[in-house]
Amino acid sequence: LAKTTQPISMDSYEGQEVNITCSHNNIATNDYITWYQQFPSQGPRFIIQGYKTKVTNEVASLFIPADRKSSTLSLPRVSLSDTAVYYCLVGDGPGNTGKLIFGQGTTLQVKP
Amino acid sequence: EAGVTQFPSHSVIEKGQTVTLRCDPISGHDNLYWYRRVMGKEIKFLLHFVKESKQDESGMPNNRFLAERTGGTYSTLKVQPAELEDSGVYFCASSQAAGAWEQYFGPGTRLTVT
Repeated sequence: LAKTTQPISMDSYEGQEVNITCSHNNIATNDYITWYQQFPSQGPRFIIQGYKTKVTNEVASLFIPADRKSSTLSLPRVSLSDTAVYYCLVGDGPGNTGKLIFGQGTTLQVKP
Repeated sequence: EAGVTQFPSHSVIEKGQTVTLRCDPISGHDNLYWYRRVMGKEIKFLLHFVKESKQDESGMPNNRFLAERTGGTYSTLKVQPAELEDSGVYFCASSQAAGAWEQYFGPGTRLTVT
């Protein structure tokens, strides 16, 4: 699996747009980019996945440039409830083992 | 539809004692996974069941850990005897398809070994 690098922490204020960038310079052709969100005292939750360009759902948008060496998770108009740890995972799939590999993630703190 | 549930939510035991954690996956999910995060570390994969069979147990730290999934429904993870370094949060997840990126996690069991 491609090694990922993301900021350890970020602060934001309610109503702002938050962009969390993940670097994955060694991404392979078959690799997908997946983001999980983990609220305090809960397990991680899948929020979005993409391969290239842009993906948007009700939770977030994922921007992937043409070279795919990085990706940006965008959270529009965050609220206090968006305070969580956000994990970027890159690979061609957990395979039959289903082994997800989590890094340290980015701890987002949203302030009032 | 109920999500993945785990019991207990917290457990405090003394070193040398035994603890059994339980996970109930989402109904119909054949794939069940255990992960854990020890203090200050990243979430690590422990093992994967497909129905009642262990598909991959490469992440199990040692033979003090025993996971079972009799009948292919709920799963238990027993730690015997517990050591201080076993303290952490144990997560269970399930998915319908093997190799799925989208796994549904439970809230975790926080284990404290004193």
